[in-house]
Amino acid sequence: DADVTQTPRNRITKTGKRIMLECSQTKGHDRMYWYRQDPGLGLRLIYYSFDVKDINKGEISDGYSVSRQAQAKFSLSLESAIPNQTALYFCATSRGQETQYFGPGTRLLVL
Amino acid sequence: RKEVEQDPGPFNVPEGATVAFNCTYSNSASQSFFWYRQDCRKEPKLLMSVYSSGNEDGRFTAQLNRASQYISLLIRDSKLSDSATYLCVVLTGNQFYFGTGTSLTVIP
Repeated sequence: DADVTQTPRNRITKTGKRIMLECSQTKGHDRMYWYRQDPGLGLRLIYYSFDVKDINKGEISDGYSVSRQAQAKFSLSLESAIPNQTALYFCATSRGQETQYFGPGTRLLVL
Repeated sequence: RKEVEQDPGPFNVPEGATVAFNCTYSNSASQSFFWYRQDCRKEPKLLMSVYSSGNEDGRFTAQLNRASQYISLLIRDSKLSDSATYLCVVLTGNQFYFGTGTSLTVIP
């Protein structure tokens, strides 16, 4: 079984809809991250968390919110989706400042 | 100025060739450095960490030059399976910063 899982893997939604992306990990890592990837822009950090209840904004947090309900779970919400939030979203985990491990990604299309 | 910059390529090389990628970073306080590999539409995966003294893993050699603030990745004897995008990653403070990636295609 994968150490970092993301659900859903693919999602199509309409402008204005609320959507939640889920991330779970079995690695026992303390830190979790949400990134989005767009062609030509690389990976950009949305939010990160160093522990349960710890939430930090990344480079592009506007339009997103997160929740760290347990050490193993970190969810990303788009309260009112817009087309420029169409992207590939990755969750990642790390133990402290060690190597990051990524989930398989969620492809989101906002119409 | 971007935290991490890479030449996007693409690099198209024949099998067996040696190819090198460079990456520059802007913050002299950056403390850790990595190369990740990303296959099309898949998640990035760690290829290797980069140490100050340079390090090698089989056909792959990574080097760090702190004075000039760049890191490099050398791939020897390229294989078809090396075709991918290679991401330079820098840890500065508590945040990881990613380059946009360099695309490599190894041609038969």
